[in-house]
Amino acid sequence: EDQVTQSPEALRLQEGESSSLNCSYTVSGLRGLFWYRQDPGKGPEFLFTLYSAGEEKEKERLKATLTKKESFLHITAPKPEDSATYLCAVRGSWGKLQFGAGTQVVVTP
Amino acid sequence: DSGVTQTPKHLITATGQRVTLRCSPRSGDLSVYWYQQSLDQGLQFLIQYYNGEERAKGNILERFSAQQFPDLHSELNLSSLELGDSALYFCASSPAGGVADTQYFGPGTRLTVL
Repeated sequence: EDQVTQSPEALRLQEGESSSLNCSYTVSGLRGLFWYRQDPGKGPEFLFTLYSAGEEKEKERLKATLTKKESFLHITAPKPEDSATYLCAVRGSWGKLQFGAGTQVVVTP
Repeated sequence: DSGVTQTPKHLITATGQRVTLRCSPRSGDLSVYWYQQSLDQGLQFLIQYYNGEERAKGNILERFSAQQFPDLHSELNLSSLELGDSALYFCASSPAGGVADTQYFGPGTRLTVL
């Protein structure tokens, strides 16, 4: 069965303090790795899709990278509005999107 | 705003009752997915429909059922409700339902079973 493990569970950052979130996965035939951002009580907001090892994508202060076993979400010079839970999900050959438990990020001014 | 709409936003009901949650996908998307998110379980895939037909099933209970209508909106029916069914229920949609498709999520329905 596909598995996704995210670490750390929670991260507290000062504004401007860059950091990285980890997503380790095991999947049969990776079809895509997805990053979402979720605010409390809201639906997950799509950030990135990565399809193959070595791929990188960037959006504002966020950069996602992918290897054969894990993905990193780098947050550069975060601002308080980057506070959210970041979810990683993988989709394997049989199609089900398997989510990790998420990393809760709090950025303080 | 993802373009996926869900109604109602909140639902409070009693144990043993039946409720229906509604989802309208993004314009042009043919596939709809339902997820349950509870505090201790995270986001769990329930079921997927593509152009009116069931395509994949996840951890969906027998008390739960869903369908997708010709206009592509979908409904999730939850019956014989239990306290443990209290959760956020999300609908997502994607263009074609392919394994590499990105899913876009709606705002969710918060179900409280008393």
